[in-house]
Amino acid sequence: GNSVTQMEGPVTLSEEAFLTINCTYTATGYPSLFWYVQYPGEGLQLLLKATKADDKGSNKGFEATYRKETTSFHLEKGSVQVSDSAVYFCALSPEGANSKLTFGKGITLSVRP
Amino acid sequence: EAQVTQNPRYLITVTGKKLTVTCSQNMNHEYMSWYRQDPGLGLRQIYYSMNVEATDKGDVPEGYKVSRKEKRNFPLILESPSPNQTSLYFCASRSPWTEPVFGPGTRLTVT
Repeated sequence: GNSVTQMEGPVTLSEEAFLTINCTYTATGYPSLFWYVQYPGEGLQLLLKATKADDKGSNKGFEATYRKETTSFHLEKGSVQVSDSAVYFCALSPEGANSKLTFGKGITLSVRP
Repeated sequence: EAQVTQNPRYLITVTGKKLTVTCSQNMNHEYMSWYRQDPGLGLRQIYYSMNVEATDKGDVPEGYKVSRKEKRNFPLILESPSPNQTSLYFCASRSPWTEPVFGPGTRLTVT
């Protein structure tokens, strides 16, 4: 079956530090890949997505590249801010029209001033 | 504004007392889903619906029921809640060509 593996957390960084959150997946074919963010006390918001190999999704200074050869979709940001403190989820949606998202366990990011 | 709404946002109840969490979307989406979020487990799908009167089990359907009588609504029913159903619940909707849009969440505590 499909699965998503995220690096263990939590992660604590100082403001302006470089961020990498690892995500690898198992799925057949070419799934769509997503990063969702959950700010404290709020629901999930789509941060970025990529729908085919070598696509780069980007938003709010975050980037992730769909790497088919390594089945990865790592999230990066060059300079984090305190306002980036949140829980980050990597997810995949199988090829074809399908309602189900498979999520990773999520990782909590805390950014210190 | 395009959105998914859930009610209630917070609920504390007792074991065995039937409850319903409502979910409504205004985007005319075909697909709707319910997820639960638990620490260390991420989000897991409970049930999903492809369209009116078409529902199917997700990964963790035990103890839950759903119905889809109208396209915009997808209520989650707990006939006899138990403490292990204490969780944060999210409803989501999507069309075949878009990523899911999530509701704000319902935090349920069963004592």
